[in-house]
Amino acid sequence: GEDVEQSLFLSVREGDSSVINCTYTDSSSTYLYWYKQEPGAGLQLLTYIFSNMDMKQDQRLTVLLNKKDKHLSLRIADTQTGDSAIYFCAETPLGGKLIFGQGTELSVKP
Amino acid sequence: DVKVTQSSRYLVKRTGEKVFLECVQDMDHENMFWYRQDPGLGLRLIYFSYDVKMKEKGDIPEGYSVSREKKERFSLILESASTNQTSMYLCASSPGQGGHEQYFGPGTRLTVT
Repeated sequence: GEDVEQSLFLSVREGDSSVINCTYTDSSSTYLYWYKQEPGAGLQLLTYIFSNMDMKQDQRLTVLLNKKDKHLSLRIADTQTGDSAIYFCAETPLGGKLIFGQGTELSVKP
Repeated sequence: DVKVTQSSRYLVKRTGEKVFLECVQDMDHENMFWYRQDPGLGLRLIYFSYDVKMKEKGDIPEGYSVSREKKERFSLILESASTNQTSMYLCASSPGQGGHEQYFGPGTRLTVT
């Protein structure tokens, strides 16, 4: 069945790079997404990658997609305290629904 | 900017009460979704709707129903609230044909005592 897996916690120091990893199971997914949830707020779409791409860069964010291994990662360069949040990976198997991972809580220490 | 609003940020209800959670979007989106979010479980889809008066069950529809009488409004109903429905509820919308990004409301934290 469809499943998206993420580790639950990541802690980094301010200024370091953060890498959040995700594995998914449905190879038919057209798009893969990263959402950010700040404390007490809803989810905000950070970035997405089309399944025929292997990399997408957007300012401090780099998304890497390895379709063979069904592995998605989000790299945040020069991580700031304002990046502290929960990050969700999501895939879209056929049918248009989003399947979310459990979320990775990123803690940035000064 | 797309705006998705939810009627309450925090709600406290008693076991057995009927609960209505309202969601409104202002971008004429065809698709609307209700999720619940629990720690360590991520977001799980309760119900979704691709058009007015249409509804589809998601992964965890038991104990919930929905109503979509107008395109911009999607209501989640807990017929008889139970303590295991204490959770964060998130509404989302997305455009129809060719649109794939979902836009989320701020969430309603529901506590059932």
